[in-house]
Amino acid sequence: RKEVEQDPGPFNVPEGATVAFNCTYSNSASQSFFWYRQDCRKEPKLLMSVYSSGNEDGRFTAQLNRASQYISLLIRDSKLSDSATYLCVANGGSNYKLTFGKGTLLTVNP
Amino acid sequence: EAGVAQSPRYKIIEKRQSVAFWCNPISGHATLYWYQQILGQGPKLLIQFQNNGVVDDSQLPKDRFSAERLKGVDSTLKIQPAKLEDSAVYLCASRASGRGYEQYFGPGTRLTVT
Repeated sequence: RKEVEQDPGPFNVPEGATVAFNCTYSNSASQSFFWYRQDCRKEPKLLMSVYSSGNEDGRFTAQLNRASQYISLLIRDSKLSDSATYLCVANGGSNYKLTFGKGTLLTVNP
Repeated sequence: EAGVAQSPRYKIIEKRQSVAFWCNPISGHATLYWYQQILGQGPKLLIQFQNNGVVDDSQLPKDRFSAERLKGVDSTLKIQPAKLEDSAVYLCASRASGRGYEQYFGPGTRLTVT
């Protein structure tokens, strides 16, 4: 079983749609979690951290369920500029080693 | 603030040749990472340095890959000899010490092995 598994995608949605990404992790010792965004042929960039209580940043909401080892990202009112690959990431331990999922490609269409 | 610098940006070599990549992290960042990202996959950690010491190299194919970070600043990653399956983007990232600090990635080096 992979350490971090994501919806395979790709997702194609119209502008204004709500889209949800799901992710599970296998290492119960993972301490912190993130969503990274990667544009085509660019480097990954941190989108947001994920906290147990859930957190929101504008149109983006992240949730963490430690009991189920499940992470989600919700994008509301999607924009053309949201088109990218979304990477689910878990921090495995004290060395701050990040484990990335395969990523899910999102295309927002006009 | 300058970001993570990498060079070259692109490299094409034949199998069995050698190649080296260079990374200059953000000034003051003690932790440096090298990742391999194969097309369609997420980045996979190859090696992590804390200053000039190796913290984790468990996924580095040590028969052909080597990395060093002399003086705890710049780093080089070498492949010798290259195989076709080494075709990937090699990403360098750095992070400041302490909890909760973000990893910042460089633009990567796109390697094609023919």
